[in-house]
Amino acid sequence: EVQLVETGGGLVKPGGSLRLSCEASGLTFSIAWMNWVRQAPGKGLEWVGRIYSKTDGGTTEFAAPVKGRFSIARDDSKNTVYLQMNSLKTDDTAVYYCTTYDHHKFVNWGPGTRVTVSS
Amino acid sequence: QSRLTQPPSASGSPGQAVTISCTGTSSDVGGYDFVSWYQQHPGKAPKLIIYEVIKRPSGVPDRFSGSKSGNMASLTVSGLQAEDEADYYCTSYAGSKTVVVFGGGTKLTVL
Repeated sequence: EVQLVETGGGLVKPGGSLRLSCEASGLTFSIAWMNWVRQAPGKGLEWVGRIYSKTDGGTTEFAAPVKGRFSIARDDSKNTVYLQMNSLKTDDTAVYYCTTYDHHKFVNWGPGTRVTVSS
Repeated sequence: QSRLTQPPSASGSPGQAVTISCTGTSSDVGGYDFVSWYQQHPGKAPKLIIYEVIKRPSGVPDRFSGSKSGNMASLTVSGLQAEDEADYYCTSYAGSKTVVVFGGGTKLTVL
């Protein structure tokens, strides 16, 4: 059974930084395309970004609202993907979900970690 | 703003069937058979229930079915049950190197 567990959420001031982690188990992590999806309070789902497997280039892609402020990295030896969030804004307040992406669908989801950006 | 348009709400009585639409363009929904649907209960993570327009992952009841016509995809929930009350989101592939877009979501109420 695939399990994804996000950690690292919390309260941060505007302009601050936070790093989220997502540890995976039950899958061949090194070939997985890992994504982050967020959900602001009372709002819908918003795709944040993706990191491809190293065999597929290991590159990253981001949604326009976070491009240049967020980065994604992976450590295949730890089955973990990271979301580094810098220059945080109040609009970044959301629950952040880690997901696997396979053949154009989000297959497995973690329970999410809450990020609150507030002064 | 979502490129995929869903009605904000839908409802039905137990046992009835309800259909939720997801309208896109020829660049996404109409151009590829890679529409997927997700169910989200309050306070929970989303769950994949339909992929590639019509396919169901293992464990998803066959009361859930998907279809597509032109630029519009649909999710039908037959034999509504109280546990089907949730938010439903669609997504569609729109070509390589394109950003992923979710529909705005539909809140399904079982009356």
